[in-house]
Amino acid sequence: GIQVEQSPPDLILQEGANSTLRCNFSDSVNNLQWFHQNPWGQLINLFYIPSGTKQNGRLSATTVATERYSLLYISSSQTTDSGVYFCAVDGGFQKLVFGTGTRLLVSP
Amino acid sequence: NAGVTQTPKFQVLKTGQSMTLQCAQDMNHEYMSWYRQDPGMGLRLIHYSVGAGITDQGEVPNGYNVSRSTTEDFPLRLLSAAPSQTSVYFCASSSPRGTSNYGYTFGSGTRLTVV
Repeated sequence: GIQVEQSPPDLILQEGANSTLRCNFSDSVNNLQWFHQNPWGQLINLFYIPSGTKQNGRLSATTVATERYSLLYISSSQTTDSGVYFCAVDGGFQKLVFGTGTRLLVSP
Repeated sequence: NAGVTQTPKFQVLKTGQSMTLQCAQDMNHEYMSWYRQDPGMGLRLIHYSVGAGITDQGEVPNGYNVSRSTTEDFPLRLLSAAPSQTSVYFCASSSPRGTSNYGYTFGSGTRLTVV
C-alpha cells in the first residue's frame, strides 16, 4: 500500500520563526491534503493540493507529484500554530492514508 | 452550523460491552468514513461509505460494523469491546474529488476507553 512519511517528527519554534514541514509518499498520487490537529484534538483541513502551490495567509503548500513530496511552509509562526500537522493521500475511493504527523510547538 | 457531529465525546466501556458511535453530517456529502487515532500515530481508516447503502472495509475493520441507511448518518458499532479498541475515533465526510466543494470535514472525535 501507499506509504506516507513526514519529517521532522517534532519541531520547536520561537514565535515569529519560519518553518518547513515535509511529506514524502511512496506512490504517484493525485490527491494530497494537509491537516492541522489543534491541541484540543480538532482536525482542520488546511490545503487540498495535488500539485503546484497554494497560499492561505501565513501558510503555503507546494506539491511536486512527479517527485513524490509535498512541503508545508509556516511563516511568522504564532502560538496558535501549535499542534500536529498531518499530510494524507488518497489510497483509492477517497480513502485517506495519513502520515504519522509533525508535532509543532511554538513558544512565546 | 454545517459540519460533522459525533456523539458521545467521551465513553468508558467494560470489556465485552457493545456500543454505537454516532456520526451525522448536514452537508449532503456522499463520502463518509471512520478513522481511529492512537498515540504517536496518524489516523487509520476503519470503514468507509461512498453513498447510502454502500459500505466497505478500510485498513483496520476487525471488531467494528457500519451501515449507511441515509446520506446523513454513518454509525460505527463496536460489537464486543476490547482494550485494544481504546482510541480516539473520528468521523469524516467529503464530496467527490473533482467537485467544486471538495474537501474533508472531520467531527470533533470520540475518546473511547475500554477497561
